[in-house]
Amino acid sequence: NAGVTQTPKFQVLKTGQSMTLQCAQDMNHNSMYWYRQDPGMGLRLIYYSASEGTTDKGEVPNGYNVSRLNKREFSLRLESAAPSQTSVYFCASSAQLNTEAFFGQGTRLTVV
Amino acid sequence: ELKVEQNPLFLSMQEGKNYTIYCNYSTTSDRLYWYRQDPGKSLESLFVLLSNGAVKQEGRLMASLDTKARLSTLHITAAVHDLSATYFCAVDVDNFNKFYFGSGTKLNVKP
Repeated sequence: NAGVTQTPKFQVLKTGQSMTLQCAQDMNHNSMYWYRQDPGMGLRLIYYSASEGTTDKGEVPNGYNVSRLNKREFSLRLESAAPSQTSVYFCASSAQLNTEAFFGQGTRLTVV
Repeated sequence: ELKVEQNPLFLSMQEGKNYTIYCNYSTTSDRLYWYRQDPGKSLESLFVLLSNGAVKQEGRLMASLDTKARLSTLHITAAVHDLSATYFCAVDVDNFNKFYFGSGTKLNVKP
């Protein structure tokens, strides 16, 4: 009964380092998402994938890249981390139109 | 630019009282979602509203959608401490399952 699984749960990076956040869902969902959550700003959409092989920019895509490796997995890459990317990152998935998104437990990323 | 605005941002209320959280959005959409987030936790879906006039109720929470006014409300009846959490609304832009969130309303229900 895993749902949406994110790894790692916590990460500290130095400015300029790169890393990939991993996300996998076992619900056979078509759509997957990456959001960041900052205090007082709600969740902001970084990238979105409507289906395997497709990706689309959201509200705040700069500094990030994504890969929809297959239907289950959607990864988020920071090529050169900056302190402004310190945030909590959530991955989510949804089955089809008119259904809600299901969220992972989040990754707390600190860039120093 | 799409805006999804919630108010109030913070709400402190006593047990037993009623209150309403408002969610206004700036684009045409007839798909609106409400989520709950406990401190340090992930988001949990509460309601899915898919048409003008839609109303959903679960326990002490009731959500409604007015697409003409671009407004959704989350009404809390006889609040209890367990309802303390942050509540988010999210709009499906372009009816494509692409969700844009409000800033959230942090609710604190005092015993």
